[in-house]
Amino acid sequence: SQQGEEDPQALSIQEGENATMNCSYKTSINNLQWYRQNSGRGLVHLILIRSNEREKHSGRLRVTLDTSKKSSSLLITASRAADTASYFCATVGPSGGYQKVTFGTGTKLQVIP
Amino acid sequence: DTGVSQDPRHKITKRGQNVTFRCDPISEHNRLYWYRQTLGQGPEFLTYFQNEAQLEKSRLLSDRFSAERPKGSFSTLEIQRTEQGDSAMYLCASSDLGPRVSPLHFGNGTRLTVT
Repeated sequence: SQQGEEDPQALSIQEGENATMNCSYKTSINNLQWYRQNSGRGLVHLILIRSNEREKHSGRLRVTLDTSKKSSSLLITASRAADTASYFCATVGPSGGYQKVTFGTGTKLQVIP
Repeated sequence: DTGVSQDPRHKITKRGQNVTFRCDPISEHNRLYWYRQTLGQGPEFLTYFQNEAQLEKSRLLSDRFSAERPKGSFSTLEIQRTEQGDSAMYLCASSDLGPRVSPLHFGNGTRLTVT
């Protein structure tokens, strides 16, 4: 079963606009990660935010995490056509086992040039 | 290129046939994962290896599925008596320090079509 649910399922914006994707999850986490997937390809890691962090930046990406609401958001600023892809959040459990990575259902982003 | 490689990229097979996929992880990574992804969905966990030991298997992995990682290097995923419901992208990922510290590195997957 998948832990996270992304919202919206699909998003279409003009180049230069900002894109915001949200992820909600159900159980306690050690960290939350965002990945990108181009059509027909594997996933590429974008950013990792730990449970004790509230915000993290990487280039044009900004991730926030609210553990009280069990939610995270990914903001892509000044979007480019090359940002067109599916974006997935993934959660890592806090303890025990092998540190399972559980993916959400994804947001499909289309950036129109 | 020292990324994760998967072979083949595409596989078309008839129902009832056996198929085997191969994954070569990043060489210094001792953790290896298999995921399955169907159209429009996120990857679903199948199994995990730490070195040569298979430490976790999903309930999704029926007895028709078997995975191995001899000598803790490359891994194979075999599906016996394939069914149409097995059609999916099979993704392999590797990691060095574990996902509490470092991310997963994915290959480009093997797309299986069962006719």
